[in-house]
Amino acid sequence: AQTVTQSQPEMSVQEAETVTLSCTYDTSESNYYLFWYKQPPSRQMILVIRQEAYKQQNATENRFSVNFQKAAKSFSLKISDSQLGDTAMYFCAFMKPNTGNQFYFGTGTSLTVIP
Amino acid sequence: DADVTQTPRNRITKTGKRIMLECSQTKGHDRMYWYRQDPGLGLRLIYYSFDVKDINKGEISDGYSVSRQAQAKFSLSLESAIPNQTALYFCATSDPRTGENQPQHFGDGTRLSIL
Repeated sequence: AQTVTQSQPEMSVQEAETVTLSCTYDTSESNYYLFWYKQPPSRQMILVIRQEAYKQQNATENRFSVNFQKAAKSFSLKISDSQLGDTAMYFCAFMKPNTGNQFYFGTGTSLTVIP
Repeated sequence: DADVTQTPRNRITKTGKRIMLECSQTKGHDRMYWYRQDPGLGLRLIYYSFDVKDINKGEISDGYSVSRQAQAKFSLSLESAIPNQTALYFCATSDPRTGENQPQHFGDGTRLSIL
């Protein structure tokens, strides 16, 4: 099984500041996909951003961007201009092709944006 | 209306009871999944199904069973509930036909408490 590690159980950031959430993973595969999901207090699971391992360019979605370091097996999420609505649990997930689209999730990072 | 609907949203029951959690989807996806979320452990896969004739065990299938009644419906059963099955349960769907990097789409979860 793949291993996904999120080493920061809790983090906080001041509103309008930038915060980076860490994620590392363990795999012997060369082709795979990585995702960040957000789970607000409403408990929905919302896709934030995705990254294909074969792409060197880091994915960006508005205020959310990733720093994908394939050799280091690192996939961190940067949130710029943090907003109160960003307060949520954030999960990193790994998916290997040809495995039935099975996802392996990290244990999550609880982010609090402070007014 | 939600694309992935889980019922009930919340349930409290007693040890030894049989419980069924239901999931239905309007996305037309072939693949459906059941996860369990526990604090500090993230999401763990219980069962998944590629179509109505294909059911597979996930990481933590013991104590659970599933039924894929139709493409759109995937139910999870606890035959004899025990307190350590108290958790938040998620159903998810995916459609890799549109590309390998497709995310999973989640329902809003069922919070199950077993006394």
